[in-house]
Amino acid sequence: QKEVEQNSGPLSVPEGAIASLNCTYSDRGSQSFFWYRQYSGKSPELIMFIYSNGDKEDGRFTAQLNKASQYVSLLIRDSQPSDSATYLCAVNRNDMRFGAGTRLTVKP
Amino acid sequence: NAGVTQTPKFQVLKTGQSMTLQCAQDMNHNSMYWYRQDPGMGLRLIYYSASEGTTDKGEVPNGYNVSRLNKREFSLRLESAAPSQTSVYFCASSTGGGPDTQYFGPGTRLTVL
Repeated sequence: QKEVEQNSGPLSVPEGAIASLNCTYSDRGSQSFFWYRQYSGKSPELIMFIYSNGDKEDGRFTAQLNKASQYVSLLIRDSQPSDSATYLCAVNRNDMRFGAGTRLTVKP
Repeated sequence: NAGVTQTPKFQVLKTGQSMTLQCAQDMNHNSMYWYRQDPGMGLRLIYYSASEGTTDKGEVPNGYNVSRLNKREFSLRLESAAPSQTSVYFCASSTGGGPDTQYFGPGTRLTVL
């Protein structure tokens, strides 16, 4: 079992829809959780982090964390074609472990 | 601020050759990291340096060595390159405090023939 698992996609949504990206992790001692966005051929850039159970909102992005279920998700509201990228989930305990990423395509 | 810079951007090596990837950050961060990214595998940690003067192995350290030259610079050396080391290499840095947000350099695309 991988430490951080994501559906590789591709996930395709129409412009203006809500995109839902999911991630599960195996280490119950994980303390903080991150979502990065990576455009093709570019480096990962941080979208947001979360470390408490519940929801955290930042503009069009909402991160959701459920430590009991070892599950973290990212919702993107009003999806735009510019949101088309690979989204990496990362989990931190002693060091950072990344999922393989979910490729999102937003169609105009 | 340049953030995290890496050199070179691209490199082609023959099996058995050696090279050093350079990384520098100007954010006064304590911690620095080297990752490799392969298709379908995500980012995997090679080595990290929690603070100046310390280095530790990550998930995939075999075949690599690192040097934390000073607070700004963290280099990754391949002593005898192998085709399995063909990858994209990213350097990252962070404050070292929690939550430990990491900031990434632009990457080095390495091909070993």
